[in-house]
Amino acid sequence: DAKTTQPTSMDCAEGRAANLPCNHSTISGNEYVYWYRQIHSQGPQYIIHGLKNNETNEMASLIITEDRKSSTLILPHATLRDTAVYYCIVGGETSGSRLTFGEGTQLTVNP
Amino acid sequence: DAGITQSPRYKITETGRQVTLMCHQTWSHSYMFWYRQDLGHGLRLIYYSAAADITDKGEVPDGYVVSRSKTENFPLTLESATRSQTSVYFCASSPRDRGSYEQYFGPGTRLTVT
Repeated sequence: DAKTTQPTSMDCAEGRAANLPCNHSTISGNEYVYWYRQIHSQGPQYIIHGLKNNETNEMASLIITEDRKSSTLILPHATLRDTAVYYCIVGGETSGSRLTFGEGTQLTVNP
Repeated sequence: DAGITQSPRYKITETGRQVTLMCHQTWSHSYMFWYRQDLGHGLRLIYYSAAADITDKGEVPDGYVVSRSKTENFPLTLESATRSQTSVYFCASSPRDRGSYEQYFGPGTRLTVT
C-alpha cells in the first residue's frame, strides 16, 4: 500500500476554511485516496474519497493534484465540532480493500 | 437503522481468560474488519473478512481468532487475554461499490486486561 505523509497538527479559526494536506507520492494508478476523521474516543468516520477527479460532498471537498502525488481535504467552514484527528489513507483494490491508518493530523478549531 | 454495533462497549477481564467481542452490521456489507487502537496511536488492522466464511490476517493477528458464519456478524475472540491486548477495538464494514472501499466504523469496545 502507498504510504502517506501528513502534518502532525494544525489549527484553524472557527468559520474559516481548514485545508489539510497529504502527500502520497507512491500511489499506484488504481488506488483511491480516502479521508477519515476520528473525534476523541469515537469510531473513525468516513469523510470522502477520490481517484483522480476532485470530489465534493456535504462534509468536505477533496482536491487531488494532476500527478496524484498529493491531495488536500477542505472543510469550507470549520466548526468546533470539526476538531478531530484526520487520516489520509491510500488503498483500494490492490490491497484487497484493506486501509492502513497512519498517525493522522490533529486539527484543532479555535473559537 | 442501527448500522454497525459492537458489544460490549466496555470489558474488564483477567489475564488468561477468553473473551469475545461482537460486531453486527445491518447493511449486508460484504467486507468486515477488526482494528485495535492503542492509546495515542492510529488504528492497526487485526483481521478482515471479504464475505461469510472468508477471513484473512491483517497487520497484528497474533492472539486473536475470528469467524464469520453469517454476513452480518464478525466476532473477535481473544483466546487467552494478555495485558498487551488492552486497547480499544473497532469493527468496521464496507460495501464493494465500483471498486471503492470506504469503511463504516462501530463505536468501539474498550477492553482492559488486568
